[in-house]
Amino acid sequence: AQSVAQPEDQVNVAEGNPLTVKCTYSVSGNPYLFWYVQYPNRGLQFLLKYITGDNLVKGSYGFEAEFNKSQTSFHLKKPSALVSDSALYFCAVRRGTGKLIFGQGTTLQVKP
Amino acid sequence: GAGVSQSPSNKVTEKGKDVELRCDPISGHTALYWYRQRLGQGLEFLIYFQGNSAPDKSGLPSDRFSAERTGESVSTLTIQRTQQEDSAVYLCASSQDSLNSPLHFGNGTRLTVT
Repeated sequence: AQSVAQPEDQVNVAEGNPLTVKCTYSVSGNPYLFWYVQYPNRGLQFLLKYITGDNLVKGSYGFEAEFNKSQTSFHLKKPSALVSDSALYFCAVRRGTGKLIFGQGTTLQVKP
Repeated sequence: GAGVSQSPSNKVTEKGKDVELRCDPISGHTALYWYRQRLGQGLEFLIYFQGNSAPDKSGLPSDRFSAERTGESVSTLTIQRTQQEDSAVYLCASSQDSLNSPLHFGNGTRLTVT
C-alpha cells in the first residue's frame, strides 16, 4: 500500500533563513512524488514533482525538493524563506496510474 | 473555464438529507479526483475517474456515497442520508492524465451537516 508521512505538524523559521519540510513515503516500485501548497481559504496549488531523472527538482516560488531513494524521502526546501511562504504544505505519492495519496500536511510559519 | 470549478461553494443541510456536489474539470483533462478534507486534517482520497469510468473507488466511506461522471466532463458526488461526520470540505481535482501530470484543484465545497 502507498503511504506518505510528514513527521512535523508545524515548522517555524525566520524570514531569510533556509527552510525544510520533511516527507517520507512508502510505495512498492518507482514513486511519483509531488508537493502542493494550500493558502488559507484557497485551493491546493501544485509546487513541483519528481517522476524520474535528477534527484533535485526545482519548482514554483523558488522551492525545490530532493528525492532520496535510499531514505525514501522527498524533503521540500527553500534557501531563503519569505513571510508569504507561510501556508499548509502537502506531500503526495503515486505509484503508476491512479490515486494520489497525500500526507497529513505541515504548517509552515515564517516569522519576520 | 480556466480552472476546476466546484458548486456550491458552501452547503448547509440537515442530517438525513441527500446532497449533490458538482465538479467541472478543466477542459481536456481525462482524469478527475474527489477528496475530502476534514477540519485541520489532510486530504482523504474518495474516488478517481479516468474518462467516465471509475477504476478506483476504494476511498468512498460507505454506500451512502456515490459519484458519477459524464464523458470527460462534469462529475457529481452524491451523499445520501447525510450524517454530521460528513461535514468537511470536498475537493475536486482534474489532470491531463492519471500518471505524471499534476492535479489541478478546485476551491472545494464546504459541507456542513446540522
